[in-house]
Amino acid sequence: KAGVTQTPRYLIKTRGQQVTLSCSPISGHRSVSWYQQTPGQGLQFLFEYFSETQRNKGNFPGRFSGRQFSNSRSEMNVSTLELGDSALYLCASSLRGDSITDTQYFGPGTRLTVL
Amino acid sequence: AQSVAQPEDQVNVAEGNPLTVKCTYSVSGNPYLFWYVQYPNRGLQFLLKYITGDNLVKGSYGFEAEFNKSQTSFHLKKPSALVSDSALYFCAVRDEGGPGTYKYIFGTGTRLKVLA
Repeated sequence: KAGVTQTPRYLIKTRGQQVTLSCSPISGHRSVSWYQQTPGQGLQFLFEYFSETQRNKGNFPGRFSGRQFSNSRSEMNVSTLELGDSALYLCASSLRGDSITDTQYFGPGTRLTVL
Repeated sequence: AQSVAQPEDQVNVAEGNPLTVKCTYSVSGNPYLFWYVQYPNRGLQFLLKYITGDNLVKGSYGFEAEFNKSQTSFHLKKPSALVSDSALYFCAVRDEGGPGTYKYIFGTGTRLKVLA
């Protein structure tokens, strides 16, 4: 079974631009979560989607948004990029995300650099 | 809110020696704990989890973790370290999200260096 895939793997943008990252979950997984990883802040939860609905949200500004499609693929968007948005963005999928036996499986991440 | 702490930024161990990567937790209710490993330029890979049952949990690549309720710890262990085990290790706890849902809270990570 194929793992979680994320595209693109690397992105370079300039301040003020916007960016869209894509995540395809493991087949059959319906919950998709996004995390931001930086050396200073570690792994921080952005949001989680299930059945095209955002179920959980972390403490990030409204510039960070996401959506999920009917095939469970998810995108996250960051508008008006800031230098501090440079990070590795990780996507994780699980079957439903609401069972104690669920496990999250991560993709390889998208490395975003904001200049 | 749930939290985990990884008190060591880096752990060095000689190849062939046993290794321990420490994690302590703070939860209300039953703890659901996880270990992940991250190799350079890669995402996180699931190693093992504790939900309930035996305090010694066995996982991938020869790793195991010991759940200790009295010490609120969930240390990752391996009897004999390999150079290829050198990576960044994250402990995580499941926290409640929206009604009936969960989200993961991660520790700050511990870099393991296995020296040949």
